[in-house]
Amino acid sequence: QSAPTQPASVSGSPGQSITISCIGTSSDFRSNDFVSWYQHHPGKAPKVLIYDVNKRPAGVSNRFSGSKSGHTASLTISGLQAEDEADYYCCSFGSSRTPYVFGSGTKVTVL
Amino acid sequence: QLQLQESGPGLVKPSETLSLTCSVSGGSISSSYYYWAWIRQPPGKGLEWIGSIFHSGSFSYNPSLESQLTISVDTSMNQFSLRLNSVTAADTAMYYCARDVVGEGVYFDSWGQGTLVTVSS
Repeated sequence: QSAPTQPASVSGSPGQSITISCIGTSSDFRSNDFVSWYQHHPGKAPKVLIYDVNKRPAGVSNRFSGSKSGHTASLTISGLQAEDEADYYCCSFGSSRTPYVFGSGTKVTVL
Repeated sequence: QLQLQESGPGLVKPSETLSLTCSVSGGSISSSYYYWAWIRQPPGKGLEWIGSIFHSGSFSYNPSLESQLTISVDTSMNQFSLRLNSVTAADTAMYYCARDVVGEGVYFDSWGQGTLVTVSS
């Protein structure tokens, strides 16, 4: 099972909004509900931003939002800040054979 | 506040066994709402789910690793462990343990800081 595809890099200026796509297959997104997004600063533990496509855990900024249409999930970061510069991964609850599959990862650069 | 801490050797020889333990504090590993997972990141690459285990011992492995993989749980010590047999340089990675939410939602809500394991002679 191949990893969902994400753009290798996305950049934006402070204050702008950016969107990261996560393109999978019907087996990647077996359920419509179970896509999560993680922020990973190098050297630190990854942090969940979004779960179940569009839910935010307590304490996560509302600048982060998620959505899904068909086989494409998306993470939008609004009001881009310097601290948002990190790697971002989607994760799908995929086939019963491989429950979890991470996307290929996107490096976000704040210009 | 839940904390997870990975421990184990940082250097393993090729063909030998990689063994790591994740110690959980601030919460019980025997909770019915969570599995406990191992995830790794090879240098310069993305995240890869290795496998998850429930406190009862029920588990799920990544098919690409299951022939060399054992994940176990010790509820008395509130920890779970990873054993990866016959390692090669391709198994060099940062290894993370994480809590795998299966109650309300499906995601990894808490992560350890990670431990770097290098496979080299």
